[in-house]
Amino acid sequence: QKEVEQNSGPLSVPEGAIASLNCTYSDRGSQSFFWYRQYSGKSPELIMFIYSNGDKEDGRFTAQLNKASQYVSLLIRDSQPSDSATYLCAAGSNYKLTFGKGTLLTVNP
Amino acid sequence: DVKVTQSSRYLVKRTGEKVFLECVQDMDHENMFWYRQDPGLGLRLIYFSYDVKMKEKGDIPEGYSVSREKKERFSLILESASTNQTSMYLCASSLWTGPRFGEQYFGPGTRLTVT
Repeated sequence: QKEVEQNSGPLSVPEGAIASLNCTYSDRGSQSFFWYRQYSGKSPELIMFIYSNGDKEDGRFTAQLNKASQYVSLLIRDSQPSDSATYLCAAGSNYKLTFGKGTLLTVNP
Repeated sequence: DVKVTQSSRYLVKRTGEKVFLECVQDMDHENMFWYRQDPGLGLRLIYFSYDVKMKEKGDIPEGYSVSREKKERFSLILESASTNQTSMYLCASSLWTGPRFGEQYFGPGTRLTVT
């Protein structure tokens, strides 16, 4: 059974701080990794993807992948109240995405 | 902008009814997916399709079937609805093959209640 584990949270950070979201996955065959953001009552939207070991930066977001440790993380710098949402980590292989249950992030003004 | 639309936002059906959920995407994407999302269980893949008339089972296909007769449309069918199929159903599409298949665009969802 493929599993993706995330801290359920909630994670609370002050505005302007760095939010760190973590994820581990069980399937070593996973080839690609994705972070989706889901606002309450809305559908998920893709914010980051990463395929290779190391860091990938996009604006205030940095995704980190360590395949040896089966670990993926998302850093959000200069967190804003608008970043308050549930963040879903997903591992992909053969057209199938396995999602974690999500981490609820609250950014306090 | 990619647009994925679903036929209904809310749907109430009775146990035993046959239920059709429709999904349409307007960006000529090859791949389409059906998920359900439940509190405490997260988002789970029901079926996916990587080409017209092609379909593959996801992680929880029991009690569901799908149809993809045209590239832009992917239908989820509940053959005989049961109360444990009460859920939020999300359709998604993706342009890419290979590792990038997971770059998916989601529709707004259909909240189905089976009574």
